[in-house]
Amino acid sequence: KNEVEQSPQNLTAQEGEFITINCSYSVGISALHWLQQHPGGGIVSLFMLSSGKKKHGRLIATINIQEKHSSLHITASHPRDSAVYICAVRSEAAGNKLTFGGGTRVLVKP
Amino acid sequence: EAQVTQNPRYLITVTGKKLTVTCSQNMNHEYMSWYRQDPGLGLRQIYYSMNVEVTDKGDVPEGYKVSRKEKRNFPLILESPSPNQTSLYFCASSLLGLAPFFGPGTRLTVL
Repeated sequence: KNEVEQSPQNLTAQEGEFITINCSYSVGISALHWLQQHPGGGIVSLFMLSSGKKKHGRLIATINIQEKHSSLHITASHPRDSAVYICAVRSEAAGNKLTFGGGTRVLVKP
Repeated sequence: EAQVTQNPRYLITVTGKKLTVTCSQNMNHEYMSWYRQDPGLGLRQIYYSMNVEVTDKGDVPEGYKVSRKEKRNFPLILESPSPNQTSLYFCASSLLGLAPFFGPGTRLTVL
């Protein structure tokens, strides 16, 4: 079993729809990251969470430490949100090392 | 502009021909890392460095070398590339404990 599991693997939505991506992990963590990878390949950091909830524009990330679960929500989705979203955790035992989920490929159709 | 640069961006080479992929950051970050990304396997760490002259193996270090002689640079060296090292490579840097900045990626094909 992978330390970091994401669901779904693929998601197709119509423009304007609300999107949720889930991330579950099995180790104690010091932080969880959400990353975005566009079709061109570049990876950008969206959020770093250690508790609670963060919001940036139409993106909202939440984490439940007790349940070892995080969600990334996209409100009012737009075709430019089409990308692969990757969850990564920094475990308490592994210092600064990140362990990545397999990614969720999101396609938003106009 | 704060950035991580990698060169080359694309490389096609042949088995056994030594190559170096350079990585440089201008943010004075202590932590630098190399990852490879393969379909179905996601991102996996190759090597990392906590600071100058401090490097350590990640999850898939076989066939790779690194060095950290200066804080800004962290080159990845493939002494004798093989076809199973065909992949998309990313360099990343961060302050310890904070979010990583990724380079643009290097797509390597080994024939």
